[in-house]
Amino acid sequence: GQQVMQIPQYQHVQEGEDFTTYCNSSTTLSNIQWYKQRPGGHPVFLIQLVKSGEVKKQKRLTFQFGEAKKNSSLHITATQTTDVGTYFCAGGGSYIPTFGRGTSLIVHP
Amino acid sequence: NAGVTQTPKFQVLKTGQSMTLQCAQDMNHEYMSWYRQDPGMGLRLIHYSVGAGITDQGEVPNGYNVSRSTTEDFPLRLLSAAPSQTSVYFCASSYSNRNNWGTEAFFGQGTRLTVV
Repeated sequence: GQQVMQIPQYQHVQEGEDFTTYCNSSTTLSNIQWYKQRPGGHPVFLIQLVKSGEVKKQKRLTFQFGEAKKNSSLHITATQTTDVGTYFCAGGGSYIPTFGRGTSLIVHP
Repeated sequence: NAGVTQTPKFQVLKTGQSMTLQCAQDMNHEYMSWYRQDPGMGLRLIHYSVGAGITDQGEVPNGYNVSRSTTEDFPLRLLSAAPSQTSVYFCASSYSNRNNWGTEAFFGQGTRLTVV
């Protein structure tokens, strides 16, 4: 079945530094979704990318979908303590998306 | 608009006990799913449903049963609890697009289950 690999598993940054998490699939994805889970909370949908090479921005967050639709990335510019949490990618194109294991972002003030 | 509601929020079970985790959504979503979340393992799919009366297994179905008699409710049953089922359980729902793919998932608040 479809597998989605996400790296790194953890990332420590100083507040103000940038952060990037990467998502890779062995198969072509129809779409990719990104979620954020705050500590002790539940995953919350951030965005969905559908087109090859698509780039979307949400304030300091930039989401990219690879040309081959097999990889994606989430980049946060100038991290803040409010960015702390686990970021999940999820490969779509079926009834239920396949989630990666997530990247936990720790921001040190 | 409540979204996805899970009960209970916390539960402690003894090994061998059975229980049902409740999940209800009020968004008229066709698709519903159950995940367990363990440290470092991400969200693993247990069971899912694409409509009332239709369920299927996910990645880790053993030890769990589901049913979907209505669009709104999707309970998860633990038949005989084991310590390995200690986890955080999330229910999610989504609607389908014109390709029948699940779209953005809405998650419940989660149930923290400890089996001793």
